Amino acid sequence: SQQGEEDPQALSIQEGENATMNCSYKTSINNLQWYRQNSGRGLVHLILIRSNEREKHSGRLRVTLDTSKKSSSLLITASRAADTASYFCGARRDTGRRALTFGSGTRLQVQP
Amino acid sequence: AAGVIQSPRHLIKEKRETATLKCYPIPRHDTVYWYQQGPGQDPQFLISFYEKMQSDKGSIPDRFSAQQFSDYHSELNMSSLELGDSALYFCASSWIRESGYTFGSGTRLTVV
Repeated sequence: SQQGEEDPQALSIQEGENATMNCSYKTSINNLQWYRQNSGRGLVHLILIRSNEREKHSGRLRVTLDTSKKSSSLLITASRAADTASYFCGARRDTGRRALTFGSGTRLQVQP
Repeated sequence: AAGVIQSPRHLIKEKRETATLKCYPIPRHDTVYWYQQGPGQDPQFLISFYEKMQSDKGSIPDRFSAQQFSDYHSELNMSSLELGDSALYFCASSWIRESGYTFGSGTRLTVV
């Protein structure tokens, strides 16, 4: 089963606005992680939230996790043109040494 | 700090040829992961190794195989290449179950 489905698929905002991306998953998880990817580059780890956490902050990033709804959101506040990238959530299942499975990502375009 | 090193960066092969991709994880990371990302697609998990033993298996074709060596570097071997194998191949490494992944810059494989 596929984990980590993001929406929207694409988001275009102006610099200074906030960007919210959502992610849903299907099975119980140990943690959920958000990554950023610039075109053609490797993914960069942004933030990890454990299954027993509800909210986490890191700089301009805020992540929430609702395990009852199997969903997570990533909020980027005061966006900058440099935030333009694709954002993926990866769900780590709660059994064994399972690898992260990623969804289709949200392409964020921040207009200067 | 040293990152995950992948080689080569670019590779062009003809149909039915073989290819070998290499990955050097971050020292002391105990798990290595391989992902395939087609154009405009999400990263698809292929296979992972924990302490040189296969730990998880994703959508890796039977034509592909991988292993992790005593020095912890890993190789992805791809045989009977098809046009559809053209993609970015990422290696990532992590330490302990609850840490984020560090991705390499990827190998862009083009099959002609």
